[in-house]
Amino acid sequence: KQEVTQIPAALSVPEGENLVLNCSFTDSAIYNLQWFRQDPGKGLTSLLLIQSSQREQTSGRLNASLDKSSGRSTLYIAASQPGDSATYLCAVIPGGNEKLTFGTGTRLTIIP
Amino acid sequence: EAQVTQNPRYLITVTGKKLTVTCSQNMNHEYMSWYRQDPGLGLRQIYYSMNVEVTDKGDVPEGYKVSRKEKRNFPLILESPSPNQTSLYFCASNNYLGGTQYFGPGTRLTVL
Repeated sequence: KQEVTQIPAALSVPEGENLVLNCSFTDSAIYNLQWFRQDPGKGLTSLLLIQSSQREQTSGRLNASLDKSSGRSTLYIAASQPGDSATYLCAVIPGGNEKLTFGTGTRLTIIP
Repeated sequence: EAQVTQNPRYLITVTGKKLTVTCSQNMNHEYMSWYRQDPGLGLRQIYYSMNVEVTDKGDVPEGYKVSRKEKRNFPLILESPSPNQTSLYFCASNNYLGGTQYFGPGTRLTVL
């Protein structure tokens, strides 16, 4: 059974710093991986989707990488801002069905 | 505006009283899913649907039913709710296998 781990569970950094969030998964036979952010009391917003054939995907100050062989993905946030404070979740999808498995998330706080 | 809507947003009920949480999307997406989110356990998939009349179990389907009679709607039914179904529920949709997931705002359910 696929297990997805996100460490650390919480992270605080000063505004302006670059930071990396980690996502590890146990079964490398994935179809793709998605990164989401969740604001308190809100639903999830998709940030980036990386297909299994891709190594990375970029959107603005966000860059996500995928290394299937090692079962790892990272989300890099450049020049962090207080508005980046949220919980970040990754989710993996196996091939052939829509059974997503989510990590438990990293709660990020950007200190002004 | 492209969106996934859920109703109700908040619900307090008693054990054994049947309830339905509605989910609707206006993006003509093929795929829809239900998740529950619990502290320490993260997001877990309950059911998903790949098209009208096509549904399959996720990781935690016990105690839930779903139906997909129309493409835009995917209601979640709790025939006999129990306190362990107290949770935050999310509906999501996507337009192709493994595609970007669009989440609804969530329904907070309390079963007394």
